[in-house]
Order: sequence, then C-alpha cells, then structure tokens
Amino acid sequence: GENVEQHPSTLSVQEGDSAVIKCTYSDSASNYFPWYKQELGKGPQLIIDIRSNVGEKKDQRIAVTLNKTAKHFSLHITETQPEDSAVYFCGAAIQGAQKLVFGQGTRLTINP
Amino acid sequence: DAGITQSPRHKVTETGTPVTLRCHQTENHRYMYWYRQDPGHGLRLIHYSYGVKDTDKGEVSDGYSVSRSKTEDFLLTLESATSSQTSVYFCAIMTGGSYGYTFGSGTRLTVV
Repeated sequence: GENVEQHPSTLSVQEGDSAVIKCTYSDSASNYFPWYKQELGKGPQLIIDIRSNVGEKKDQRIAVTLNKTAKHFSLHITETQPEDSAVYFCGAAIQGAQKLVFGQGTRLTINP
Repeated sequence: DAGITQSPRHKVTETGTPVTLRCHQTENHRYMYWYRQDPGHGLRLIHYSYGVKDTDKGEVSDGYSVSRSKTEDFLLTLESATSSQTSVYFCAIMTGGSYGYTFGSGTRLTVV
C-alpha cells in the first residue's frame, strides 16, 4: 500500500521567514495530495491540495509543489506569522481508493 | 467542525473494558473514517465506511470494530481496551468527490 514520509518532524522559524515541509510517497498511482493544519485541541483542517496533473498551486501565502517523477511534494509558507504555528500533515490518495494516507506530521513553531 | 460531531470528547477507561466512540454527521456524506493520532505516527486509518453496513479495514484495525447502521452515525468499538489503544481518535467525512476530508474535534481516550 501507499506510504508517506514527512520531514522534518519539528521546524522552528523566525516570524516573517519562510517555512518548507516536504513529503515523499511510494505509490506512483497516487494522484491527490492535500495538506492539513491542526491547531491545538482541534481536528486537522484542509488548507491546500494539489492533483497530479498540476505542478504547483498557490493560495495567498501558502503554496504546494509536486514532482511526480521524484514522487515528492512540498508545502511552502511565506511571510510566516504567529498564527501559522500548528502541526501540519501531508496526505496522498490513490485514485479510486477513497482513502487518504497521511505523513507523520510536522510541528511548526513561529518565533516572534 | 460544521456537520460532524464526536462523542465523548474525553474518556478514561480501564484495561479490558469495552468502549464505543460515536461519530455523527448531519450532511449525508457517503464516506466516513476513523483515524488515530499518535506522536511520531501521524494519522493512521483504523476503519472506514462507504455506506450503510459497508465497512472496510484500514492499516491499524486489529482490536477495533465498527458499525454503520445509519448514514449519519459511524461507531468505533474497542471490544477489550488495552493501554496501546490510548490515543486521540478522529472521525472524518469525505465531502463531495474531491477526497477532501472534514475532521471532527477528536476523542481523547486513555486506557489505564
């Protein structure tokens, strides 16, 4: 089955700097790659996603890039703010499987 | 989160006792999921359902069973709780056909 590896497990950046979180997946049949943000005491929330027919997608300060050949995708957060502090999860889904496999999570801390 | 509630939010139980967690949705979505979240492991799929009485196993299904007798309710049962099942449990629904999940707020289960 699909396996998703996420790095780093913790990341600390200065406010205003950029943060990058990386994931690799194992199954070349995967075609959907979401990113979720989990704030303390809450369930994860979808913040951005990308499909395998697109190489990059942006939404204000966040962007996701996908390299299908290398089977990895990344989350980029620019101009980080204190409210970006959270745990972030990447995921991968195989077409038709109707279920997501998640990475191990990254705890992002934004230092003022 | 809108349309999905989990109960209870917190539970402490003794080893060997049965425990049932409930997930309720108000939006009539077909797919529902149970994940557990543990440090270093991210979110791991326990079981999922693709319709009333239609369920399937995830990657960590041992020791768990599920039932879905109505579209809106998806129950997770630990037949005989063990300390290794101490975790935070999240229910999720697949909204629309995009693989995007909406998560509940979670149930923190402690087995002593």
